[in-house]
Amino acid sequence: SAVISQKPSRDICQRGTSLTIQCQVDSQVTMMFWYRQQPGQSLTLIATANQGSEATYESGFVIDKFPISRPNLTFSTLTVSNMSPEDSSIYLCSVEGSGETQYFGPGTRLLVL
Amino acid sequence: QKEVEQNSGPLSVPEGAIASLNCTYSDRGSQSFFWYRQYSGKSPELIMFIYSNGDKEDGRFTAQLNKASQYVSLLIRDSQPSDSATYLCAVFNAGKSTFGDGTTLTVKP
Repeated sequence: SAVISQKPSRDICQRGTSLTIQCQVDSQVTMMFWYRQQPGQSLTLIATANQGSEATYESGFVIDKFPISRPNLTFSTLTVSNMSPEDSSIYLCSVEGSGETQYFGPGTRLLVL
Repeated sequence: QKEVEQNSGPLSVPEGAIASLNCTYSDRGSQSFFWYRQYSGKSPELIMFIYSNGDKEDGRFTAQLNKASQYVSLLIRDSQPSDSATYLCAVFNAGKSTFGDGTTLTVKP
């Protein structure tokens, strides 16, 4: 299984600002995913990030609000732009393992005031 | 209709009992099915996966898949307090996994 780290682990931000979340994997992976999980709710896929191509966004999520970078096979960033209190959530990155399994990072807990 | 639906829960069982968690999915083209466990304040971790109809056992865990009925289940035998967590069913199709809302299990000593 992959070892995944995320930075920051938590943050408190002011409305209107942006936060960039980093995801680092200890091995090269093709597929990386970004999820949002609001308190007491399940995981919602934001986008899929493949190295060397544009991220693929799910319905309801747009690149201007959640720009993603994937510069190499071990790293990705998700930016939450022009934040509002509704963006308060846990943001998780994950990578695809064998057989379409997924391994998740520890998450970034974001509170927007 | 949600793509992946789970028992609303919460589910409470006594220590040593069998916990049964159920999941149905809507897309008949789905090929791969997963159970993840999520402890409070932690990220999900994979505990079981199943691709073929029938049962798959791993220790105290058994996953069951019935593609005709579009149904996946997870049985936890000899439940322990450490099994208390939220269990997420996930279905893989078209390059991505879709997660259910989860069932919260409490195992009482």
